[in-house]
Amino acid sequence: DAGVIQSPRHEVTEMGQEVTLRCKPISGHDYLFWYRQTMMRGLELLIYFNNNVPIDDSGMPEDRFSAKMPNASFSTLKIQPSEPRDSAVYFCASGSLGDTQYFGPGTRLTVL
Amino acid sequence: AQSVTQPDIHITVSEGASLELRCNYSYGATPYLFWYVQSPGQGLQLLLKYFSGDTLVQGIKGFEAEFKRSQSSFNLRKPSVHWSDAAEYFCAVGARGGADGLTFGKGTHLIIQP
Repeated sequence: DAGVIQSPRHEVTEMGQEVTLRCKPISGHDYLFWYRQTMMRGLELLIYFNNNVPIDDSGMPEDRFSAKMPNASFSTLKIQPSEPRDSAVYFCASGSLGDTQYFGPGTRLTVL
Repeated sequence: AQSVTQPDIHITVSEGASLELRCNYSYGATPYLFWYVQSPGQGLQLLLKYFSGDTLVQGIKGFEAEFKRSQSSFNLRKPSVHWSDAAEYFCAVGARGGADGLTFGKGTHLIIQP
C-alpha cells in the first residue's frame, strides 16, 4: 500500500483565500483523522471520521474550518476564508479499531 | 481528559551512548500508547506501540519502551544511538488505538553529538 496520501505538500496562499487540503487514507481503514501541528500548540486533533461519518469535530477551531469525507478513499479539509494564524502543518491519518494510526506526510500551509 | 507530558524539550546525546526519553500520561483506563518519530519536514513514523500484554515492547530501529502503570509512564529507550536518530520524538495516548483521536505530548528534540 502507498500509505496515507496528502496533497498538496505545500500551499502558500493569501489571507482571505479558500484553501482545500486533500487526503487519501490507507485502503481498508475505517477511521480517518485530521491533525494540525504548530510550534505553539503542538499536534492537535481537529476532527475524525468513522465510515465516512464525522464523529468528533470538537477540535475544529472555527466555523471557517470544515471537513468532508464523501467516500472511503477521500477526505478534504477546507479553510474559508484563510487567515495567517492558520499557517501550520496539517496531517491526515487513518486507522482501524485496535490498530495503529498511520500518518501522511502532511501539508505545510502558509497564509500570507 | 487524557494528557501526555514529555518533560524534556531537548536532549543531547553522544553517538553510541544510550538514550531514554521520558513520557508520562494521564488516562482513566488502560491506554493505548505510542511513540512516533518525526524527521525535519517529514510526517510521523510509528516507532512502537503498547496495547496490552508484555509491558516491554520492541519497535523499529532498535527502540524499545516500557509501560509502567504504577508510574503512568511509557519511556522510550535505545542502547546505542546513531547520528540518524536525530529527530523529534512524540509520545501519544489514545482510547482505542487507531479508532480514536490521539493526544500527543509536546515532543522531545533529540540532538546527537559526534
